[in-house]
Amino acid sequence: DAGVIQSPRHEVTEMGQEVTLRCKPISGHDYLFWYRQTMMRGLELLIYFNNNVPIDDSGMPEDRFSAKMPNASFSTLKIQPSEPRDSAVYFCASSSYEQYFGPGTRLTVT
Amino acid sequence: GDSVTQMEGPVTLSEEAFLTINCTYTATGYPSLFWYVQYPGEGLQLLLKATKADDKGSNKGFEATYRKETTSFHLEKGSVQVSDSAVYFCALSDGDTDKLIFGTGTRLQVFP
Repeated sequence: DAGVIQSPRHEVTEMGQEVTLRCKPISGHDYLFWYRQTMMRGLELLIYFNNNVPIDDSGMPEDRFSAKMPNASFSTLKIQPSEPRDSAVYFCASSSYEQYFGPGTRLTVT
Repeated sequence: GDSVTQMEGPVTLSEEAFLTINCTYTATGYPSLFWYVQYPGEGLQLLLKATKADDKGSNKGFEATYRKETTSFHLEKGSVQVSDSAVYFCALSDGDTDKLIFGTGTRLQVFP
């Protein structure tokens, strides 16, 4: 298996623009997690899904953030509008007991 | 709620030194315990795990033993290499879901 796939790997955008991050989990995994990592706040869980259903979105920072999982092989994390403080590395992970992380998307909002 | 506490970093060692990174946890149930490693510019990778008391997880020369009596899961390696330089995260899962509670991470720097 190719592992968890995230795209894009790097994203640079201007404040106010919409940003969409994509994730393809490992086939057969029933959980999908979105994390954000910054120097100041460390690793934060934003939201997670079980069998495509959002279970806990309490980590989503505000209404500008939304996540979807339309099917078992695809998920998106959208930020609209983006702000400079959203700059971070965003990780997707999938699991069937053990979590496997993708390589991350480094987002820079100027 | 459940939580994980790790020692503050960075931990700085010379090559071939002995490594210990402390991890303690608080949990109401019987969690599984994990160590993840993050190399620069990469995502987290599972290093080792233990699912019940007295289990020892091991991988790539690293070991950790699930100690229920001290609620600890300390990471050890007998002889570190420069290539072990990374951030190490201790984590627990509650067993009901695959959600993990992570510690804050400990940065290890190994010098030749």
